[in-house]
Amino acid sequence: QKEVEQNSGPLSVPEGAIASLNCTYSDRGSQSFFWYRQYSGKSPELIMSIYSNGDKEDGRFTAQLNKASQYVSLLIRDSQPSDSATYLCAVTLNSGGYNKLIFGAGTRLAVHP
Amino acid sequence: EAGVVQSPRYKIIEKKQPVAFWCNPISGHNTLYWYRQNLGQGPELLIRYENEEAVDDSQLPKDRFSAERLKGVDSTLKIQPAELGDSAVYLCASSPGTWDIQYFGAGTRLSVL
Repeated sequence: QKEVEQNSGPLSVPEGAIASLNCTYSDRGSQSFFWYRQYSGKSPELIMSIYSNGDKEDGRFTAQLNKASQYVSLLIRDSQPSDSATYLCAVTLNSGGYNKLIFGAGTRLAVHP
Repeated sequence: EAGVVQSPRYKIIEKKQPVAFWCNPISGHNTLYWYRQNLGQGPELLIRYENEEAVDDSQLPKDRFSAERLKGVDSTLKIQPAELGDSAVYLCASSPGTWDIQYFGAGTRLSVL
């Protein structure tokens, strides 16, 4: 089992729709969760961070965390073509005896006009 | 405020040649990370520095990779000799403290021929 798992996609949604991106993780003790956006050929940039169960909203983005189910998601409302990118879920967990930030492989989102 | 600066942006070398990457973190950020990102994958941690101390180098292939962060500011990652499988994007990130939000540089795209 991978430590952080995401569906690779592509997830295709029409402009204006809600895009829902999901992520599961293996370490029940994980405390910090992040969503990064990465455009093709660019570096990851932070979209959201979430540390406690529930929802966290920032503009068109909502992060949802359920530690009991080891599940974190990102909702993008009113999706725009400029949201087309790969979304990386990242979780701090213990790996090989060290706490580190582990990234999923990313979900590619395509928003079509 | 300047972000994380990396150089070079691109590097093409032949196998068995040495190569070095440089990173200057955001001013005041004590923690510096080197990641490697293969195509279609998320970044994978190679080494983490707290000031000038390498506190997690468990994922660094020590037979050919080395890193240093003299004076606890900028850092250099070296590969000698490079192999075909080293072709990837090498990302540097920094954060104010351990496990604070990480900010990424633009990365160095390495091609080994």
